[in-house]
Amino acid sequence: DTEVTQTPKHLVMGMTNKKSLKCEQHMGHRAMYWYKQKAKKPPELMFVYSYEKLSINESVPSRFSPECPNSSLLNLHLHALQPEDSALYLCASSQGLGGYYGYTFGSGTRLTVV
Amino acid sequence: DQQVKQNSPSLSVQEGRISILNCDYTNSMFDYFLWYKKYPAEGPTFLISISSIKDKNEDGRFTVFLNKSAKHLSLHIVPSQPGDSAVYFCAASGVISNSGNEKLTFGTGTRLTIIP
Repeated sequence: DTEVTQTPKHLVMGMTNKKSLKCEQHMGHRAMYWYKQKAKKPPELMFVYSYEKLSINESVPSRFSPECPNSSLLNLHLHALQPEDSALYLCASSQGLGGYYGYTFGSGTRLTVV
Repeated sequence: DQQVKQNSPSLSVQEGRISILNCDYTNSMFDYFLWYKKYPAEGPTFLISISSIKDKNEDGRFTVFLNKSAKHLSLHIVPSQPGDSAVYFCAASGVISNSGNEKLTFGTGTRLTIIP
């Protein structure tokens, strides 16, 4: 299994809703990432988990709350989002931190906040 | 502050010819560079990488060249095929974030269109 699986693929939520994005990998990778990508922009790093511990939080607003229940799963809990949070949310994993390992990306969740 | 830049938002190349995608960076602390390919509605797919101690890495039709003095790298695809049509992102790692860990920084992407 060489994939990163993200669910759901599409999500529409209101500004008062609470929802969660899920990411799963079974490659034994110990680092997992959340990226946000707006149209015609590069992916921007949000969070990094290494060995199930949060190692990077790129000053992301608290309405985004990551969770790593185990080494295979990474969640992103969403609450009270704004329309400008609409974007493609990408999960990735790697064997270790650093570019040498390369990242495997999921297909993303297309989030629309209305 | 865009530390990794791809100045050509789009590129069209005839099938069978060489595609050259360019990337410039500003931070000399980057020690590893990667190229990703992205189709619409999919996540980026890793293509090829190069360490900062090398100046060339080749994998099949893909070759990446690194010019450290110019802080420039390029991806050559030869021969170009219709399936190569996608958005290509250059990425760099080695910059330490506030937490002391490395992170990957992406360029803005170049949309490559291969003309049959």
